[in-house]
Amino acid sequence: RKEVEQDPGPFNVPEGATVAFNCTYSNSASQSFFWYRQDCRKEPKLLMSVYSSGNEDGRFTAQLNRASQYISLLIRDSKLSDSATYLCVVFPGGSYIPTFGRGTSLIVHP
Amino acid sequence: GAVVSQHPSRVICKSGTSVKIECRSLDFQATTMFWYRQFPKQSLMLMATSNEGSKATYEQGVEKDKFLINHASLTLSTLTVTSAHPEDSSFYICSAGGYSGNTIYFGEGSWLTVV
Repeated sequence: RKEVEQDPGPFNVPEGATVAFNCTYSNSASQSFFWYRQDCRKEPKLLMSVYSSGNEDGRFTAQLNRASQYISLLIRDSKLSDSATYLCVVFPGGSYIPTFGRGTSLIVHP
Repeated sequence: GAVVSQHPSRVICKSGTSVKIECRSLDFQATTMFWYRQFPKQSLMLMATSNEGSKATYEQGVEKDKFLINHASLTLSTLTVTSAHPEDSSFYICSAGGYSGNTIYFGEGSWLTVV
């Protein structure tokens, strides 16, 4: 089993839709979790951290489920500009080196 | 503004030549930087961890003699792809920060095309 797994998609949704992605991790001792956004042919950029209690930033909500070992990202009222690849990043327990998922591709169409 | 700057953003080189990519941390001192490679529609693959003043730590399967890493100062790490071949063509990205759960800052990335 890979350390961090994501459904590559693509998720094809219309504008205004709500879409959710999950990311599973294998190391139960993992401590820190993030969602990054990567546009085509660009570097990844931090979207949001994922806190144990869950956190929300505008249309974006991130949650952590330690029991089932996954994090999620919910995007409400999708915009065309949300089209990108969303990478989850996990710091495995005892490691200072982050592990990246392969990313989930989101396409928002008119 | 950019926190980590990478240069060049694009480079085309002939097969057999060497190419150097620079990664600079602009607002902070980075004792550790990371170098990644990303092929189209693939995840970021960690190549090596660059440590200031010491040898880099390479991931399994990455040839240290082919991908030379130098981290001579707290703000600069370089990756040199030696004797480049077409299969080395890829997107190379550096990062700094991200130590033990802190925010990771990426350079803008460098597109290498070997012809």
